[in-house]
Amino acid sequence: GAGVSQSPSNKVTEKGKDVELRCDPISGHTALYWYRQRLGQGLEFLIYFQGNSAPDKSGLPSDRFSAERTGESVSTLTIQRTQQEDSAVYLCASSLEQGSGANVLTFGAGSRLTVL
Amino acid sequence: QKEVEQDPGPLSVPEGAIVSLNCTYSNSAFQYFMWYRQYSRKGPELLMYTYSSGNKEDGRFTAQVDKSSKYISLFIRDSQPSDSATYLCAMSHMYSGGGADGLTFGKGTHLIIQP
Repeated sequence: GAGVSQSPSNKVTEKGKDVELRCDPISGHTALYWYRQRLGQGLEFLIYFQGNSAPDKSGLPSDRFSAERTGESVSTLTIQRTQQEDSAVYLCASSLEQGSGANVLTFGAGSRLTVL
Repeated sequence: QKEVEQDPGPLSVPEGAIVSLNCTYSNSAFQYFMWYRQYSRKGPELLMYTYSSGNKEDGRFTAQVDKSSKYISLFIRDSQPSDSATYLCAMSHMYSGGGADGLTFGKGTHLIIQP
C-alpha cells in the first residue's frame, strides 16, 4: 500500500483481556518498529524487526508484550492480560533500511488502546 | 542527562509569527537530524531532515544544525493555525543500524498558532 496501515484504529477492552494490534508496513520496507505513546508523552521504543527477525526487543515493558512479523510484511503486537497502564497509542513505523544514511521512518496513524 | 532534550511546551504564538523550535543533544556521533510533525490523533510525519551541520529550507520551514553547540532548530515563517501540532526532533548516526539506537527522538514540543 501507499502508507503504513494499522488496525484497529481504536480498541476498548477490559482489564485482563488480551489484545492484538496489526501493522501493514510499506511494501518493500525491511525494517519495522513498534512504539508506544502515552497521553502527552514522547515515543517509547518497544521492538524492532529486520525482516522477520527481532534483533532488538529491549523496549518491551514486560513478558505480557510480544510481537511477531511474517512474510517480511505484516506485524502483530500482542498484549496479554491487559492492565490500565497499557492504555496508550501504539504506533508502527517502517523504513527502507540501507545500513547508512538517514533512518527515515514512515509511521502509521496508530492504534489507540483504552483498558477499562 | 537524556540524549535528546526538547521543551514540551505548549508554545503559543499568534498567526503570522516566526516560530523557533529547538532540541539539544549530547551524542556527538549523531549525523542525521530530522523533524517530524504530529497532528492530534495521527502518527508523526517527516517534515525534513538534514545531514551534519548547516541549513535546509523547504517553503516556510527551515532546519538548522549547529554541531559545535549540539543544537538544532526548526523555524516556521508566517505561521498558520494549520501548523498547530506537536513537533518531534529525531537523530541518528551515520550507520543507523536499527532498533532502539536507530533513531533517537525528542519528546516533542506542542505548538499552538492562535488565529
